[in-house]
Amino acid sequence: DAGITQSPRHKVTETGTPVTLRCHQTENHRYMYWYRQDPGHGLRLIHYSYGVKDTDKGEVSDGYSVSRSKTEDFLLTLESATSSQTSVYFCAISESIAETQETQYFGPGTRLLVL
Amino acid sequence: KQEVTQIPAALSVPEGENLVLNCSFTDSAIYNLQWFRQDPGKGLTSLLLIQSSQREQTSGRLNASLDKSSGRSTLYIAASQPGDSATYLCAVTGNQFYFGTGTSLTVIP
Repeated sequence: DAGITQSPRHKVTETGTPVTLRCHQTENHRYMYWYRQDPGHGLRLIHYSYGVKDTDKGEVSDGYSVSRSKTEDFLLTLESATSSQTSVYFCAISESIAETQETQYFGPGTRLLVL
Repeated sequence: KQEVTQIPAALSVPEGENLVLNCSFTDSAIYNLQWFRQDPGKGLTSLLLIQSSQREQTSGRLNASLDKSSGRSTLYIAASQPGDSATYLCAVTGNQFYFGTGTSLTVIP
């Protein structure tokens, strides 16, 4: 299994509170991703990173920010949590992108409940 | 924007039955298509990857096909077992990874 950990694994927070989720990899892969998974929507990309300090938005980036100060860590911050951000958040990594043999490896997920 | 659809959303079969899961996508300009398995409360695990130039891939009891021109892929599971119960997601790779919503499979002993 790819060495990807997410912390915390479960979190309950209140509306308006900032929340930071952490993804840590030991594979030295260049690309890191944050997805959210919701019933009926599948996995949707929030943000991704293609190197230290290099990030870009995905399709559902509003209300989220990211930072990557080291190759191994990718942080997702909910600046002011809302109930609509209750979801399961997955981190993923890949060596490259837009390659025929490229795949992603996923972390175990973080369950976030915003009350 | 790439749209990936999986039908059916849920499927229940008796043990031993052969079954087919379907995946369709709207933009044929893809690098590859992958099938993932997701167990409850867990992350995704890659099962099969079909490169854009390939037509199918096999791994054990699993066989995945790809028809880029029609925007379709199928995952065939032979002789299903209760341990196959999980959600199966397909994903296509373009400039990003695009996922379907998954098919929840239950294999009844």
